[in-house]
Amino acid sequence: DVKVTQSSRYLVKRTGEKVFLECVQDMDHENMFWYRQDPGLGLRLIYFSYDVKMKEKGDIPEGYSVSREKKERFSLILESASTNQTSMYLCASSTTTGTSGNTIYFGEGSWLTVV
Amino acid sequence: DQQVKQNSPSLSVQEGRISILNCDYTNSMFDYFLWYKKYPAEGPTFLISISSIKDKNEDGRFTVFLNKSAKHLSLHIVPSQPGDSAVYFCAASLYGGATNKLIFGTGTLLAVQP
Repeated sequence: DVKVTQSSRYLVKRTGEKVFLECVQDMDHENMFWYRQDPGLGLRLIYFSYDVKMKEKGDIPEGYSVSREKKERFSLILESASTNQTSMYLCASSTTTGTSGNTIYFGEGSWLTVV
Repeated sequence: DQQVKQNSPSLSVQEGRISILNCDYTNSMFDYFLWYKKYPAEGPTFLISISSIKDKNEDGRFTVFLNKSAKHLSLHIVPSQPGDSAVYFCAASLYGGATNKLIFGTGTLLAVQP
């Protein structure tokens, strides 16, 4: 089974703090993603990565950055947290090879509250 | 500019009846479609998918129908069970999913009443 693990399930941070959300996958997947989920807006893509040290902007990258130094790990960084970044953050991974191509696998999510 | 739309925020059905969740898309280049199911405080889990070369795919109680001319897909759940109560997201991808980048709809909350 694919396992995508997000290290923190619930976080409360103050406005202006730097926040790190960590994600690890154990299936040697090439692709990793960060989404956020908000009521009425669905899942929106923040950043994604096809390979180590590679990253591409998604639909809502403003206020975020990412880091992928190792294939299994993809970090989301909020440089200066703001209240409008209060959300559920979802990490995901996928492979473009094999029968599971096109299917992405999600972690359990990280609930971030910025006060 | 929502390329994948789920116009019904919620749906309520009786246990044992059919649930039909709908999804519309605007980009005719989408060629692979997926449905995900999400329980509260959990990540979405993959449910079923369909390629644009097909018009139907079935997996147990779940069937996805694709109408390319109408740019519409639907998920049928028969019979519906209380454990099916969750938010359902449809998603679409381009270029056979070579980029694996999925575009999601806003979700439909399904409530199956016992």
